Amino acid sequence: QVQLVQSGAEVKKPGASVKVSCKASGYTFTSYDINWVRQATGQGLEWMGWMNPNSGNTGYAQKFQGRVTMTRNTSISTAYMELSSLRSEDTAVYYCARASPTSGYGAWGQGTLVTVSS
Amino acid sequence: EIVLTQSPATLSLSPGERATLSCRASQSVSSYLAWYQQKPGQAPRLLIYDASNRATGIPARFSGSGSGTDFTLTISSLEPEDFAVYYCQQRSNWPPLYTFGQGTKLEIK
Repeated sequence: QVQLVQSGAEVKKPGASVKVSCKASGYTFTSYDINWVRQATGQGLEWMGWMNPNSGNTGYAQKFQGRVTMTRNTSISTAYMELSSLRSEDTAVYYCARASPTSGYGAWGQGTLVTVSS
Repeated sequence: EIVLTQSPATLSLSPGERATLSCRASQSVSSYLAWYQQKPGQAPRLLIYDASNRATGIPARFSGSGSGTDFTLTISSLEPEDFAVYYCQQRSNWPPLYTFGQGTKLEIK
């Protein structure tokens, strides 16, 4: 079955960077875009960007341009999301999700809590 | 950027009742509209894709409709496990840029 397994919780200081991984299994990794979505406690879902694992092409929400980088390692079917210049407002659960050619994400990772605190 | 507005923010209903959730887009999104259910501590679950298609394993009581700028998620007869937060999401054709609505909380009356 399709699975996305994310790395564990992180605690970072303001100004630092965080890199979250998302390991895919149960399907051909290069066949579906991986998207990243975050959710602050008690808040809604916020789309961050997408990456095509085959080409490496990316697209980012304007809010995160210049601070986020999405990459992949196809040999281990793993996608990465790195967010730099962290601030307290970046404290959230970060999800990876597999996009389909139609609308919608049919598979999600379990989420990774990133806490930014001095 | 396309903005999705969901209404109502909170919907209070009883099991067995019919729920109607709305999602309005600031400009046409064709049929690239999805609905998700999220329960506390869990990742969202895809319910509906392309406005009206149920995702795999989703019960028939969930249905989606609409096109252009106005979309609706209907739950025909609420089960206890349906009380959760629901989000709509749109995708632009190319490049694939996405936005979410702010969510509707469906609570037990």
